[in-house]
Amino acid sequence: NAGVTQTPKFQVLKTGQSMTLQCAQDMNHEYMSWYRQDPGMGLRLIHYSVGAGITDQGEVPNGYNVSRSTTEDFPLRLLSAAPSQTSVYFCASRGAGAGPSYEQYFGPGTRLTVT
Amino acid sequence: GDSVTQMEGPVTLSEEAFLTINCTYTATGYPSLFWYVQYPGEGLQLLLKATKADDKGSNKGFEATYRKETTSFHLEKGSVQVSDSAVYFCALRGRDDKIIFGKGTRLHILP
Repeated sequence: NAGVTQTPKFQVLKTGQSMTLQCAQDMNHEYMSWYRQDPGMGLRLIHYSVGAGITDQGEVPNGYNVSRSTTEDFPLRLLSAAPSQTSVYFCASRGAGAGPSYEQYFGPGTRLTVT
Repeated sequence: GDSVTQMEGPVTLSEEAFLTINCTYTATGYPSLFWYVQYPGEGLQLLLKATKADDKGSNKGFEATYRKETTSFHLEKGSVQVSDSAVYFCALRGRDDKIIFGKGTRLHILP
């Protein structure tokens, strides 16, 4: 049981390049999310998904796309990278259902630098 | 909308000191409340949680009590260790099922 995995761990992009950050979980969790972490800003929600085929925007969705074709995978796409997207990106997953205490599990993060 | 406010850091303490990190929230209904910890170079880990008023979450010597009357969930530990140095995030899970985080508090423990 690997939990939540993210690749790559580090990435440097030039302005205007595109790339996909990969996220996978093997816990059969319905709910998956992408956050970015910036100094002094905490974690901000980019996009989330409540199940395969369903995605929605979070607090800071501009410049990012997501899709959820399977329960396990939730990739985050940067279509045209900008320096403002330099950040650490975390993927997270948790079970859904009525229970309010389902724990959210985080991946190890991807540190992205856009020059 | 829902929000979490926690004390700004960094907080620097000597080993064996008493720790309090304040957290207050704004939410409709009855959110679940969480403290997460992030050690250097790692992702976030759940430290403790409380799902209803007057619940006390506890783990690794840390405690926090869900106070609905003051909309607070302050984190406390009686005697901190160097290994507790990390960033601590208060968070809530609201009626719309999203998890909202505070900005984090960096804690430094000096030997």
